[in-house]
Amino acid sequence: DVKVTQSSRYLVKRTGEKVFLECVQDMDHENMFWYRQDPGLGLRLIYFSYDVKMKEKGDIPEGYSVSREKKERFSLILESASTNQTSMYLCASSLTSNQPQHFGDGTRLSIL
Amino acid sequence: GQSLEQPSEVTAVEGAIVQINCTYQTSGFYGLSWYQQHDGGAPTFLSYNALDGLEETGRFSSFLSRSDSYGYLLLQELQMKDSASYFCAVRDLGSGNTGKLIFGQGTTLQVKP
Repeated sequence: DVKVTQSSRYLVKRTGEKVFLECVQDMDHENMFWYRQDPGLGLRLIYFSYDVKMKEKGDIPEGYSVSREKKERFSLILESASTNQTSMYLCASSLTSNQPQHFGDGTRLSIL
Repeated sequence: GQSLEQPSEVTAVEGAIVQINCTYQTSGFYGLSWYQQHDGGAPTFLSYNALDGLEETGRFSSFLSRSDSYGYLLLQELQMKDSASYFCAVRDLGSGNTGKLIFGQGTTLQVKP
């Protein structure tokens, strides 16, 4: 089975901090994605990557950046955390573009 | 732009059949997917319709009609464990080889005894 592991289940940070969310997949998947999930808004794509060192903006990239130095790891970075970035963050990966996405358990991030 | 519309909530009783609709506005897409997410859990893939028609996987079936810009997920013989949120998603033609999906806002299904 595919395993997508997010480094933290719950995280509390302060406004202005630089926050790193880590995601690792173990199945040599090409594509990796970061979403945030808020009540009533579904899953919104922040950034995605289709290859090592390649990244593209999703629908809501403002205030975020990403890093993919190795194929198995995709990091989401909040450059200067703000309270409106309090949310559930979900990482996903897919083998190829036409294969299903596999999700991690999510990180519930609170910015105080 | 692209958008997918789903009902926000559906309630049904154990043993019943329920249909969750997904209507979409997009210039073109590769196929329609469905994902299930239990409260506090990760979304998991349920089904994919690349072509028009019905796809059946056990108690779950999914249907697509491109001409009607419409799809649905059908859950039969409902069980309490089916209580979850269900998301439809499309990969539009402009996504190329990226695998980028557009998700609907999700339908919360509550199954009652």
